[in-house]
This record gives sequence, C-alpha cells and structure tokens, in this order.
Amino acid sequence: DTGVSQDPRHKITKRGQNVTFRCDPISEHNRLYWYRQTLGQGPEFLTYFQNEAQLEKSRLLSDRFSAERPKGSFSTLEIQRTEQGDSAMYLCASSSQGAGTEAFFGQGTRLTVV
Amino acid sequence: RKEVEQDPGPFNVPEGATVAFNCTYSNSASQSFFWYRQDCRKEPKLLMSVYSSGNEDGRFTAQLNRASQYISLLIRDSKLSDSATYLCAVNTGTDKLIFGTGTRLQVFP
Repeated sequence: DTGVSQDPRHKITKRGQNVTFRCDPISEHNRLYWYRQTLGQGPEFLTYFQNEAQLEKSRLLSDRFSAERPKGSFSTLEIQRTEQGDSAMYLCASSSQGAGTEAFFGQGTRLTVV
Repeated sequence: RKEVEQDPGPFNVPEGATVAFNCTYSNSASQSFFWYRQDCRKEPKLLMSVYSSGNEDGRFTAQLNRASQYISLLIRDSKLSDSATYLCAVNTGTDKLIFGTGTRLQVFP
C-alpha cells in the first residue's frame, strides 16, 4: 500500500494521559499536514511540514500539542495531558511541493478521551 | 471571518437532479483550490482540483471565480452514491491547505 498510513486507527485514553500518533506519508511527498476534525466540522489545520521543517503551527493549537518529522519522512503528533475536548479524528495528509499539488489523506486516528 | 466558508446544508435532492455548491475564500493570494468528498466517518478523498478555466470530470464540473473569490461544484444527474459531505480546500499561498466545514448532500430515490 503506497498511500498515507496512520497508526493507531483508534485510541481511547484517560484524561491527563499523553498520547502519540504516527503518520507515514506517501514516500515521494515532502509536505505533511496534520488536521483535527470533529463531528459536523471540516478538517481544522494544526500544523504542516516541508521535509523536516515545521513551517507553520495553528495559533489555536495548545502548547500541549507537539509534532515532529525528524528525518523528513514519518511524523508524530503528541498530545500531553489530554483533555476531553481533545477527542476528535486526527488526520494526516501529504503532498508534493508546488502550487496546485493535491493532498492525500490517511484514514485518521480517532481519539477518545474519557 | 473564516478563511474558507461553505453552506453546511444539507442539500436534499432527488436522483437525477442537478445540484451546485459554492465555497468562498477570504485570502486573495490563494493559489490552488480543490474539492474533496468525505463519507461518514471516513477520511476526505480528493474529488477534483479546480482550474482557472474551469474543469469537468464526468458528471462533475468545478469552476473558479477569482474576482468574487469563490469556487463552485456542479453535480449533474445525481446518484444515490453521491450522498456525502463535499469539502472545499484552498491553498492560501503560504502552502497551507485550509478546508471549509463541508456541505452535506443527500440524494433520495
């Protein structure tokens, strides 16, 4: 499978715990995006990378959230001290560089904080 | 004002109908535009890119109006299988891809 893959697909955690999600982009893609989606809403931009550089992080993003892409390939998104409001689908997408290039999504990680 | 806005719907249309969705964007420096389809509890899937001159893919037509800063999606001869949420996405010029909230379409027999 050469698409974007995310792991795990589902995560249930207790409030206050830390969680980490992984995204493996399409191999030739150098851009990687993280989004959060809640019911009835579109994907909300969290952050994105070009290769290993994190180019932008949403101002709405709490400092409990951190993302890395250490070698410009896979990326991780960590949420520290989870809160119930963090429950959502976390989506990763990747694209090639250049105007007009399409982004392709992974199947997402559904987080439930209890 | 949101960077990308869509009418959430739902749009309820009978099979065979033609339906159109609009999506407005606020950043005039936006460079590229896309429509995605999302089925319930699934990831968004690229439906089509939107080119300046407009483009068509089977029953689907996408158009861009830069002067008024909106894009549109027209679906002709609606099928039951077209029922989904349609998301517009805009590359804002800083290569950040921003999505609208989506428009829900329900096609009924």
